[in-house]
Amino acid sequence: DAGITQSPRHKVTETGTPVTLRCHQTENHRYMYWYRQDPGHGLRLIHYSYGVKDTDKGEVSDGYSVSRSKTEDFLLTLESATSSQTSVYFCAISLTSNEQFFGPGTRLTVL
Amino acid sequence: GESVGLHLPTLSVQEGDNSIINCAYSNSASDYFIWYKQESGKGPQFIIDIRSNMDKRQGQRVTVLLNKTVKHLSLQIAATQPGDSAVYFCAEGNDYKLSFGAGTTVTVRA
Repeated sequence: DAGITQSPRHKVTETGTPVTLRCHQTENHRYMYWYRQDPGHGLRLIHYSYGVKDTDKGEVSDGYSVSRSKTEDFLLTLESATSSQTSVYFCAISLTSNEQFFGPGTRLTVL
Repeated sequence: GESVGLHLPTLSVQEGDNSIINCAYSNSASDYFIWYKQESGKGPQFIIDIRSNMDKRQGQRVTVLLNKTVKHLSLQIAATQPGDSAVYFCAEGNDYKLSFGAGTTVTVRA
């Protein structure tokens, strides 16, 4: 998976609890992305980063925040998890603005 | 070979046949287009890309065709193999971001 790891790989949590997912890369790529994947929706962009401390919203950013304090790590936080945020979350990295390489995914269940 | 004229969520292909997966995109200003393959339980894997100033690009056993007039993208897989069974996504790219289609599940029959 192109030097990308995601942690945890699986998580079950309860509604209202905070959750942080971590994406770590060893490729020194500039761009990092968080997507969610749900049946019938393909992959939808949550947030992305174009450099350290530089982030922007994607199409489904409500309820999520991100932080990138160093090149290799991109964190996705659900401040107060809801059942609608049950999904599979993928991190991706890109050296340029084109091809993105994806991590193995995190399956999150919010009860 | 087997193909879908419009985007359909599933495609069943006989092993050894050629398969064609179609995708309609929405943004006529998109700079590039990418096909990804996703196997069960894994992240999407890059297959091939094409820039908007091209209409055809070939890779190993795969060919991508771009028709900007009708905003249509297709992926052709030659001599489909059991390992080609997966979900295939097209994505259009613009401003460092990708927008993905809903995906087509390809099943290869032995």
